[in-house]
Amino acid sequence: DAKTTQPNSMESNEEEPVHLPCNHSTISGTDYIHWYRQLPSQGPEYVIHGLTSNVNNRMASLAIAEDRKSSTLILHRATLRDAAVYYCILKSSGDKLTFGTGTRLAVRP
Amino acid sequence: AAGVIQSPRHLIKEKRETATLKCYPIPRHDTVYWYQQGPGQDPQFLISFYEKMQSDKGSIPDRFSAQQFSDYHSELNMSSLELGDSALYFCASSLGRAGGRYNEQFFGPGTRLTVL
Repeated sequence: DAKTTQPNSMESNEEEPVHLPCNHSTISGTDYIHWYRQLPSQGPEYVIHGLTSNVNNRMASLAIAEDRKSSTLILHRATLRDAAVYYCILKSSGDKLTFGTGTRLAVRP
Repeated sequence: AAGVIQSPRHLIKEKRETATLKCYPIPRHDTVYWYQQGPGQDPQFLISFYEKMQSDKGSIPDRFSAQQFSDYHSELNMSSLELGDSALYFCASSLGRAGGRYNEQFFGPGTRLTVL
């Protein structure tokens, strides 16, 4: 699976938007970009995924660069409950999710 | 909505003992995955099953084995436990063809295994 690079940590203020970047310069044409998050003391949780076009769901938006070498997860209004480790994962062949280091998001009240 | 169920939630064992972790996927989900998360580490894939057959394998020690049963629940059997096996073990399930690039995985709450 291709590798992703994310900042180790980010901070945000409550009710402000958060942009979590991910670089994946070696992405292949058939790799899907998945985002999962892990809240403290819980199992990982699916957030969103996309292939080429930007995607929106009730949790977040995913903006994918035109060359697909980077993407950004957007939380439109961060809440304290969004404090978690966010993982950007490229999913190619096989079942598994390959978790990298992820970005630890802290949300200030 | 029904979620992935894991049992037990906590387990304490001595070195060289055996442990069995159980996972009950979301109803109608046909694929089960096992992940291990050591203290302060990120989850690492161990093994997965689709329709009761092993579909993918990661860094699972030879001391560990797993299977998926006819009702789709799965068990992870761990023998000759070592101190380094102390970790959170997550089970996840999904619906769809094995190897799908887009199948969302739903994770359980995890089993915390402590080896003394």
